[in-house]
Amino acid sequence: DAGVIQSPRHEVTEMGQEVTLRCKPISGHDYLFWYRQTMMRGLELLIYFNNNVPIDDSGMPEDRFSAKMPNASFSTLKIQPSEPRDSAVYFCASSFKTTADTQYFGPGTRLTVL
Amino acid sequence: AQSVTQPDIHITVSEGASLELRCNYSYGATPYLFWYVQSPGQGLQLLLKYFSGDTLVQGIKGFEAEFKRSQSSFNLRKPSVHWSDAAEYFCAVGGSGGGADGLTFGKGTHLIIQP
Repeated sequence: DAGVIQSPRHEVTEMGQEVTLRCKPISGHDYLFWYRQTMMRGLELLIYFNNNVPIDDSGMPEDRFSAKMPNASFSTLKIQPSEPRDSAVYFCASSFKTTADTQYFGPGTRLTVL
Repeated sequence: AQSVTQPDIHITVSEGASLELRCNYSYGATPYLFWYVQSPGQGLQLLLKYFSGDTLVQGIKGFEAEFKRSQSSFNLRKPSVHWSDAAEYFCAVGGSGGGADGLTFGKGTHLIIQP
């Protein structure tokens, strides 16, 4: 398996623009997680899905952030409008069925909002 | 709410020396505990995990960790570090209920290896 795939790897945009980050989880995994990593706050869970259904979005910082999982092999994290404080590395991870199962992380998308 | 504390932001160790990275957690029930490693510009890779059984768990790359419930700790150890171990190390805790939970991560410990 190719592992968790994220695109783009780097994104530079201007404040106010819409940003869409993409993730393809490992085939057969039931869970998909979105995390954000910043120097100040470290790694934070934003939202996660079970069988394409959002389970917990309490980590989503604002209404400007939204996530979807239209099918088992694709998820998006959208920021509209983007702000400089959204600059971070965004990771997608997937796992099989329980917390004991390993979460496999993608390489991340480094977002810079100017 | 669950939390993880990694008290050491940076640790410098000589190549060949032993290593211990500290991790303390707060969780209301039996936790699932993890150590991940992140090399520069890379995603996170699981080193090891604990969810039941023997409190001393072995991981990849020669790492081990010991779960101590009385101390709420899950420290990572390696008897002899290699230059390639230089990276950021994250301890994480997850729920032990049914299904899967997102993980709560510590702020990380940056490991520097001196020649």
